Amino acid sequence: DQQVKQNSPSLSVQEGRISILNCDYTNSMFDYFLWYKKYPAEGPTFLISISSIKDKNEDGRFTVFLNKSAKHLSLHIVPSQPGDSAVYFCAGGVSYGKLTFGQGTILTVHP
Amino acid sequence: ETGVTQSPTHLIKTRGQQVTLRCSSQSGHNTVSWYQQALGQGPQFIFQYYREEENGRGNFPPRFSGLQFPNYSSELNVNALELDDSALYLCASSHQRGSGGAGETQYFGPGTRLLVL
Repeated sequence: DQQVKQNSPSLSVQEGRISILNCDYTNSMFDYFLWYKKYPAEGPTFLISISSIKDKNEDGRFTVFLNKSAKHLSLHIVPSQPGDSAVYFCAGGVSYGKLTFGQGTILTVHP
Repeated sequence: ETGVTQSPTHLIKTRGQQVTLRCSSQSGHNTVSWYQQALGQGPQFIFQYYREEENGRGNFPPRFSGLQFPNYSSELNVNALELDDSALYLCASSHQRGSGGAGETQYFGPGTRLLVL
């Protein structure tokens, strides 16, 4: 039972354009969601989070949108930079306990 | 302030052996969570430790066990290694305000790459 799904294995974007990464979930108990970025040979790096009581959270170039009725969240990166090329994971959590991760989306930003 | 550190970085074992992986949590954090990441997959939750007690466990067999020490560092032990245990093992630390209470974002270490032959 995959509670968090990232249906796009990869995404390719031109530098300066918007990157939109999507994530769907089934567990209604999740009360917060996070996005992590992972480079090869490194651990996941925290990017941004959102509480289930909000529908948007912004931090610099990163914005996360949450649509609870659709059980869908997305990460927008504007403008995209080549250094953003990495694997992006979304995760859902309950009361900051265990995190349930999606399979990841490989983002490639071309110069 | 130091981040989460893990040792060793890489490890090769043979089937049936036992392994111990170590994690030092970030300064000010009292909770450690362990995850297993197989190739091409997202991290899977193994268990979490808060104040030296197991505080939640994922769908992993009992041969996966752990410890947390008074300084909040942690160990993951895996007995009777199987080929499918080959993976990246990630440790994450966070701060939890009381048992069952709200905690903060989990921050990950660089991981230990385990290969079982």
